[in-house]
Amino acid sequence: ETGVTQSPTHLIKTRGQQVTLRCSSQSGHNTVSWYQQALGQGPQFIFQYYREEENGRGNFPPRFSGLQFPNYSSELNVNALELDDSALYLCASSLAKGVLQFFGPGTRLTVL
Amino acid sequence: LAKTTQPISMDSYEGQEVNITCSHNNIATNDYITWYQQFPSQGPRFIIQGYKTKVTNEVASLFIPADRKSSTLSLPRVSLSDTAVYYCLVGALDGSAGGGNKLTFGTGTQLKVEL
Repeated sequence: ETGVTQSPTHLIKTRGQQVTLRCSSQSGHNTVSWYQQALGQGPQFIFQYYREEENGRGNFPPRFSGLQFPNYSSELNVNALELDDSALYLCASSLAKGVLQFFGPGTRLTVL
Repeated sequence: LAKTTQPISMDSYEGQEVNITCSHNNIATNDYITWYQQFPSQGPRFIIQGYKTKVTNEVASLFIPADRKSSTLSLPRVSLSDTAVYYCLVGALDGSAGGGNKLTFGTGTQLKVEL
């Protein structure tokens, strides 16, 4: 176990809805990264938060947004859900600027 | 971040040693090499990380030649439970690669272990 937790485990939404996913980082880690993993693909970087500020973003539209809280936990928000947003969403925590990231179990999002 | 190339799939039998090689021709001076293991519908799990020569831990060894343009993950005496996807990644440990220290995953190597 990495100590990184995510909620919920599974989620079903319909197209056009909004969703919020949550992540608690490993104790002592102040950096949280979010990844999207479609079936059969490797995880794709969405964005990273360091000390409550966005610290890098992948090729995802603005309807993907996030927050990091003072306790370093984080949220991923997705607006106007599309069918292609169906994926496993992974959260990873790390020490600042460390490549060694520890992943949570993920949230399986299904958009109908 | 340096791009990596690894075999799409490998098959093995229980008790054998498995070696998965990853090419990273454009690796930068301050890049480290990290391997993750992933089971279906789970988050990737850190296996091993190294910079040069050889690194060994309780589950695997990582061999890195002097030019660092490739690396080999060695799994001794695999079992059925080692069936998973294995990802090789390279990146700067100090974050100097920029881009928010994102990890760039390829499609990985699907290892299948049979009896």
